[in-house]
Amino acid sequence: DAGITQSPRHKVTETGTPVTLRCHQTENHRYMYWYRQDPGHGLRLIHYSYGVKDTDKGEVSDGYSVSRSKTEDFLLTLESATSSQTSVYFCAIGGGLDNEQFFGPGTRLTVL
Amino acid sequence: AQSVTQLDSHVSVSEGTPVLLRCNYSSSYSPSLFWYVQHPNKGLQLLLKYTSAATLVKGINGFEAEFKKSETSFHLTKPSAHMSDAAEYFCVVSALKAAGNKLTFGGGTRVLVKP
Repeated sequence: DAGITQSPRHKVTETGTPVTLRCHQTENHRYMYWYRQDPGHGLRLIHYSYGVKDTDKGEVSDGYSVSRSKTEDFLLTLESATSSQTSVYFCAIGGGLDNEQFFGPGTRLTVL
Repeated sequence: AQSVTQLDSHVSVSEGTPVLLRCNYSSSYSPSLFWYVQHPNKGLQLLLKYTSAATLVKGINGFEAEFKKSETSFHLTKPSAHMSDAAEYFCVVSALKAAGNKLTFGGGTRVLVKP
């Protein structure tokens, strides 16, 4: 998985609770991304970062926030989890000349 | 704007027979195109990529894809399916922007390989 780890790998939480997912890379890539995967939708971009403290919204950013205080770490926070945020979340790194991205192993989040 | 349509949500093949996964795209820019594979409960692995060099692209595990600009297609093929090819496959288009490259994913094609 190209030096990308995600934690936790599985989480079950209740509606209304805050949740933070962590992505850690050892590749020193400038760009990092958070996606969610739902059946029939492929992967959809939530937020991305183009450097430390530089972030921007993706197509499904409502209800999510991110932070990047170090090159190697990109955090995704659900301030108040809802059942619609039950999904598999993938972190990716990339942004090189060929525009390809490398994906982490994923975090399966269930919001009850 | 960019979009990707994978024309088949499920494909079933017999082991040893050819595999064809169809993908059409739209992009306002000269696109980069990718195919990724996802095995059950795993992350995504890059199979191959097109970035405006050769239109016939060879990837890992015997897969290849042909970029056809006139048809806005990027179909994935393999001459002989193996049981290990059972997975979900995603066609992906990239638009290059100043702040980085955003990927747009197709809905995925799930491949079943019968013995």
